Amino acid sequence: RKEVEQDPGPFNVPEGATVAFNCTYSNSASQSFFWYRQDCRKEPKLLMSVYSSGNEDGRFTAQLNRASQYISLLIRDSKLSDSATYLCVVNPSGTYKYIFGTGTRLKVLA
Amino acid sequence: EPEVTQTPSHQVTQMGQEVILRCVPISNHLYFYWYRQILGQKVEFLVSFYNNEISEKSEIFDDQFSVERPDGSNFTLKIRSTKLEDSAMYFCASSGQGRTEAFFGQGTRLTVV
Repeated sequence: RKEVEQDPGPFNVPEGATVAFNCTYSNSASQSFFWYRQDCRKEPKLLMSVYSSGNEDGRFTAQLNRASQYISLLIRDSKLSDSATYLCVVNPSGTYKYIFGTGTRLKVLA
Repeated sequence: EPEVTQTPSHQVTQMGQEVILRCVPISNHLYFYWYRQILGQKVEFLVSFYNNEISEKSEIFDDQFSVERPDGSNFTLKIRSTKLEDSAMYFCASSGQGRTEAFFGQGTRLTVV
């Protein structure tokens, strides 16, 4: 099983739609979780950290389910500028590294 | 807003040559990282560095790679004898105390010919 697994997509959605991505991780001792966004040929940029209680930042909501070892990202009212690859990132406990999923491509269509 | 900066943005080198990629992490950060991303593939961990020594490294980080923090601000990745398959985007990142989020530089695109 891959350490961090994501559906690569692409997800093609119309502007204004709500879209959700899931990510699963294999190491149950993982401690910290993040969503990053990456535009073509650019660096990963932090979108949000994911907390146990779930958290929201504007149109973005992240959830963590430790029992099932998955993380989700919900984007409401999609904008054209949301088109990017969304990277699920996990920092396993006791390690000094961040492990990336392959990313999920999102294309928001006008 | 503090940011991680990397130089150069693009480096072209001949196979077998040595390259040094440079990074200036965020000033009050304590943990430093190098990652690489081959075109079309995922971001892969190479090495982490804390308190002037390597904390962890991946199997990709073999004897041809080394890292150094030569002064209080720079963090470098050296590839001793480049191979064609080293062509990739190399990202430097840094993070603060505890398991906080990491911030990435804009990357150095390395092309080995």
